[in-house]
Amino acid sequence: AQSVTQLDSQVPVFEEAPVELRCNYSSSVSVYLFWYVQYPNQGLQLLLKYLSGSTLVESINGFEAEFNKSQTSFHLRKPSVHISDTAEYFCAVSMSYRNTGKLIFGQGTTLQVKP
Amino acid sequence: DTGVSQDPRHKITKRGQNVTFRCDPISEHNRLYWYRQTLGQGPEFLTYFQNEAQLEKSRLLSDRFSAERPKGSFSTLEIQRTEQGDSAMYLCASSRTPGSFNEQFFGPGTRLTVL
Repeated sequence: AQSVTQLDSQVPVFEEAPVELRCNYSSSVSVYLFWYVQYPNQGLQLLLKYLSGSTLVESINGFEAEFNKSQTSFHLRKPSVHISDTAEYFCAVSMSYRNTGKLIFGQGTTLQVKP
Repeated sequence: DTGVSQDPRHKITKRGQNVTFRCDPISEHNRLYWYRQTLGQGPEFLTYFQNEAQLEKSRLLSDRFSAERPKGSFSTLEIQRTEQGDSAMYLCASSRTPGSFNEQFFGPGTRLTVL
């Protein structure tokens, strides 16, 4: 069975500081990896995904995540955060060999950006 | 592209009552997913449809839960004889086929409170 662990439930950080949100997964089969973001009172939105190829993936708003197969991790980073990045962030996996698209989510990390 | 919509956004009911939620996916999306999210947790997969066929159900989906997608467009999720433990946010998502790699677009959710 697959599982996802987000190691921090809350991450407080000051504006313009760097941030890392940690995600580890467990799976006996190859997976696709995703980060979703949920802004207050909004639905989940895809932030970025890793399917194959380059292990470093980037989003349009400055976030990046690196797939590390040996450590089974997919940590999310941003070199300089903004107040508007305050949100709940979810790491998720889906099994690449099964064509269901079913997502298995971590518990979520609340990023609190302070002025 | 009007996005995924869910109705109602909030539902308060008494224990033992039946409730039904509706999800309207993005029009050209063949796949439709239901997830449940409780406070402080990530979404948990409940079931999914490809067109009108329900292809997988989670063990979380007890016999009090039933989902339909009769014409391969909108879907309904019914909970019979609600219990306090059913209180949660119910999320709907849709995606194109094929592939687990396809982005799932989430609706805003229906928050259920069982008194």
